[in-house]
Amino acid sequence: SQQGEEDPQALSIQEGENATMNCSYKTSINNLQWYRQNSGRGLVHLILIRSNEREKHSGRLRVTLDTSKKSSSLLITASRAADTASYFCATDAINGNQFYFGTGTSLTVIP
Amino acid sequence: NAGVMQNPRHLVRRRGQEARLRCSPMKGHSHVYWYRQLPEEGLKFMVYLQKENIIDESGMPKERFSAEFPKEGPSILRIQQVVRGDSAAYFCASSVRPGTGELFFGEGSRLTVL
Repeated sequence: SQQGEEDPQALSIQEGENATMNCSYKTSINNLQWYRQNSGRGLVHLILIRSNEREKHSGRLRVTLDTSKKSSSLLITASRAADTASYFCATDAINGNQFYFGTGTSLTVIP
Repeated sequence: NAGVMQNPRHLVRRRGQEARLRCSPMKGHSHVYWYRQLPEEGLKFMVYLQKENIIDESGMPKERFSAEFPKEGPSILRIQQVVRGDSAAYFCASSVRPGTGELFFGEGSRLTVL
């Protein structure tokens, strides 16, 4: 299965701290994306990193990609209570039509 | 520009009934994906459709489930003779084209089978 896996499954931090989530996947990819899901809502796209990129920034988000290890990390700096949500990585296989989602990391930011 | 619209948001069915979930993609998007999410789990791919064509249905159960995306109107995910195990959130996403960009998700349809 192409499906990625995030770790940790759950993460609880104090407001202002940084949060790091990791994603591992199994086969070669075109892109890797990170999504956020608030409880009971749909997923919202955060950031996309292409297979030929190693790092990307967007506001308080920093994503890295290591294709040799088939892994990615999402760093949220200076976390806020409003960052509390589940975070998913998604990959699309080079020869596939699908986006595969990981199992998610549940982040709780304590005010 | 309206986002991906799914309806109904909540649906309750008794075992053996049929469930029909609808999805209108974002304007200009001709690629639609359906995913299922069980409580506390990630999204499981079900089917990928373009207008009037099923491109990839490798994630769809072989029986009772079907999907369509007609030339006119929304995409429909149909579950016949529902069972309790079908209870889940069903998400629709759309994209401009596959493999190159983000997916835009609807708010989901939450199916409860009694």
